Amino acid sequence: EAGVAQSPRYKIIEKRQSVAFWCNPISGHATLYWYQQILGQGPKLLIQFQNNGVVDDSQLPKDRFSAERLKGVDSTLKIQPAKLEDSAVYLCASSLGAVNTGELFFGEGSRLTVL
Amino acid sequence: AQSVTQLGSHVSVSEGALVLLRCNYSSSVPPYLFWYVQYPNQGLQLLLKYTSAATLVKGINDFEAEFKKSETSFHLTKPSAHMSDAAEYFCAVSDRGFGNEKLTFGTGTRLTIIP
Repeated sequence: EAGVAQSPRYKIIEKRQSVAFWCNPISGHATLYWYQQILGQGPKLLIQFQNNGVVDDSQLPKDRFSAERLKGVDSTLKIQPAKLEDSAVYLCASSLGAVNTGELFFGEGSRLTVL
Repeated sequence: AQSVTQLGSHVSVSEGALVLLRCNYSSSVPPYLFWYVQYPNQGLQLLLKYTSAATLVKGINDFEAEFKKSETSFHLTKPSAHMSDAAEYFCAVSDRGFGNEKLTFGTGTRLTIIP
């Protein structure tokens, strides 16, 4: 079974530029998450989708971050304009969405460096 | 809101020695608790999970954790450390909303194995 796919793995941009990250979840997984992991910290949830609807985006900086999950499958996370503090690894995860599992499957992440 | 606190950002043990990584949780409802492991430049992988069945949970690679409600703890142990156990370990708690599970992670503990 293929895992969660993310691209690009690495991206270096200058501040105020824009960047987009792509995620393809495990086939059949209804729930998709984007987490931000800053160096030395635990992952922080940015946004959660259930199929193509947003369940929770309370911690997404909406003035610069946006995400979409068209057709309820793959997803794109965009940052525009980027700030220095956005340097982090952006992790995509998916789950079946069933009540009693709670297990998330993570991709390898997209590492963003903002200069 | 649920949260977890991991005591000790860095832990070093000798190869063959006991591994003990500490996690305390705060939750207003009976929690689901998880331990994830992250190897360098990789995503997170589930080690084990507690979902209100047995309080002693066994996971992959001989890791286990015990849920102690009286101490609000979910410490991770392994009887004998191996060099391949060197990684970052994250404790997490789940928001058990119906079909709406999401994880809140601790800040992580980096485990170093001394040859």
